[in-house]
Amino acid sequence: SQTIHQWPATLVQPVGSPLSLECTVEGTSNPNLYWYRQAAGRGLQLLFYSVGIGQISSEVPQNLSASRPQDRQFILSSKKLLLSDSGFYLCASAGLAGGLEQFFGPGTRLTVL
Amino acid sequence: QKEVEQNSGPLSVPEGAIASLNCTYSDRVSQSFFWYRQYSGKSPELIMSIYSNGDKEDGRFTAQLNKASQYVSLLIRDSQPSDSATYLCAVNAGNNRKLIWGLGTSLAVNP
Repeated sequence: SQTIHQWPATLVQPVGSPLSLECTVEGTSNPNLYWYRQAAGRGLQLLFYSVGIGQISSEVPQNLSASRPQDRQFILSSKKLLLSDSGFYLCASAGLAGGLEQFFGPGTRLTVL
Repeated sequence: QKEVEQNSGPLSVPEGAIASLNCTYSDRVSQSFFWYRQYSGKSPELIMSIYSNGDKEDGRFTAQLNKASQYVSLLIRDSQPSDSATYLCAVNAGNNRKLIWGLGTSLAVNP
């Protein structure tokens, strides 16, 4: 089975500061990787997904970016955080045995003040 | 726009009862359907996947799929207080590898 690691678990950042969230996956190779954001009391919003190293698809135009420097590493970044960037950031992995099921990491709760 | 709709709830059932959660989807070409459970403050966890019309049972959980009517449901038998959570329905988005998510149904199982 695969394991998805995310860190940090919680983060409090001032408006205008940079952001870097990292996700790593164990137990699978060449997974599809996803970044979601879940605002308080809201649904899952897909931010980015990647089908391979260096391949990033952006779903929502905003001040966030993503990179996939290694097969099992997915990074979410921002140069300047906005108040509206607060939320629960989730990394997910899919592709185990060719399936579409997505498995989630523990998430990072980001508060921008 | 492809959509997945769920009743937001809250759905409240007594302990030991059957909880029925429903989901409808708009994209007729969808072939893969998933139910996730999300406890407050935690990440979603996969409960069941279903791909063919009919019922699929796993322990106390039964997923039901009707592609002609474009709905998928989840039944939880002998509901327990530990089943209290938000249940998310997800459907594959056509021929790509994204999922379309419902907003979730909040379930409360009362002792």
